[in-house]
Amino acid sequence: GESVGLHLPTLSVQEGDNSIINCAYSNSASDYFIWYKQESGKGPQFIIDIRSNMDKRQGQRVTVLLNKTVKHLSLQIAATQPGDSAVYFCAEKATSYDKVIFGPGTSLSVIP
Amino acid sequence: DAGITQSPRHKVTETGTPVTLRCHQTENHRYMYWYRQDPGHGLRLIHYSYGVKDTDKGEVSDGYSVSRSKTEDFLLTLESATSSQTSVYFCAISEVGLQPQHFGDGTRLSIL
Repeated sequence: GESVGLHLPTLSVQEGDNSIINCAYSNSASDYFIWYKQESGKGPQFIIDIRSNMDKRQGQRVTVLLNKTVKHLSLQIAATQPGDSAVYFCAEKATSYDKVIFGPGTSLSVIP
Repeated sequence: DAGITQSPRHKVTETGTPVTLRCHQTENHRYMYWYRQDPGHGLRLIHYSYGVKDTDKGEVSDGYSVSRSKTEDFLLTLESATSSQTSVYFCAISEVGLQPQHFGDGTRLSIL
């Protein structure tokens, strides 16, 4: 099936800086996108989502940007904190499809 | 946090033995999912359920079966466990439509 991403990249960021985590998706029929955070030993935790009729959505310290033209999704974390250290997954879903497709994730490490 | 409980949280067993993992939800969500998570593969869907007694296969369903006799419980069974099924297993739930999945904290299964 179609997949989101191939390898698990890592990102190191200084505490207080902004983080940008990128994700490419390949299914042009996908119309719903989700970002998850997974801390060690825990299940993925929902952060923020966006539907395809939007190109930007903001939450608390997080912003998701969607570029449907190039099939690209990004998660921006403002003023990154040590507690933000985790693996971040993007996921995509199509309305007509029961299943969610997950990417392999990006490991974010925050340097105090 | 969504009311999802996975049991057991850890299990060690031998090749050839049957194993059943349980997922229990208190949210009355229609959809329930079983994933496995392995290094380099991210989250892969095993089976999912879209209602009581309604289930379908995911991308890695061989060697696994599921049952859902009640809305709140979704069981994953390995009829004859193999070492390749050593993994961390996650249950997730969601409502219909474009809604995010919410995950349990996982079951770490080791098959020797």
